Amino acid sequence: KNQVEQSPQSLIILEGKNCTLQCNYTVSPFSNLRWYKQDTGRGPVSLTIMTFSENTKSNGRYTATLDADTKQSSLHITASQLSDSASYICVVRGGATNKLIFGTGTLLAVQP
Amino acid sequence: DSGVTQTPKHLITATGQRVTLRCSPRSGDLSVYWYQQSLDQGLQFLIHYYNGEERAKGNILERFSAQQFPDLHSELNLSSLELGDSALYFCASSVGQTLSYEQYFGPGTRLTVT
Repeated sequence: KNQVEQSPQSLIILEGKNCTLQCNYTVSPFSNLRWYKQDTGRGPVSLTIMTFSENTKSNGRYTATLDADTKQSSLHITASQLSDSASYICVVRGGATNKLIFGTGTLLAVQP
Repeated sequence: DSGVTQTPKHLITATGQRVTLRCSPRSGDLSVYWYQQSLDQGLQFLIHYYNGEERAKGNILERFSAQQFPDLHSELNLSSLELGDSALYFCASSVGQTLSYEQYFGPGTRLTVT
């Protein structure tokens, strides 16, 4: 079954610290993987999109990695800010029908 | 601001009622996607329209229907509402008709069924 699992479910860190969010998927075949940031009560906003051949992609303080062999991705946030508090959603496009399969997200809280 | 607008922002209604959610895509975008996000659940794809025509259906209940009008705005109709329909409903738009194109999400409509 095509699934996307994210860990941890929630995370609390202090402002200025780094953190890494994980995404494991069983989707096959694989087309691409996206990370979205969703502020509470708002729509998701795209952070990165990665294809099979891309290992790393950065967007400011956000760096996503992809290991297509182990079907794992991570999102690393550097020097966290209070505004990073949000849910981070991993989305994989693939499967027999090449659809978008959404993870349930990691809820990040950055505290002062 | 993604450029996608959704109305209303909040909606409170009773079980058994019918509501209509509205979405206006970004200027130039021809695709509209509807998603449901329940508490503690991921986004669930409901339906996709491209230039007025239905392109794909996801986990959309028979009580739900949608359409896209000639001016490209879209409406999601939810009828015979149940408590379990309480959720955030998002629409997203993109320029093309395939999932290769970036989707831009609206701010959502929060539906509460009492």
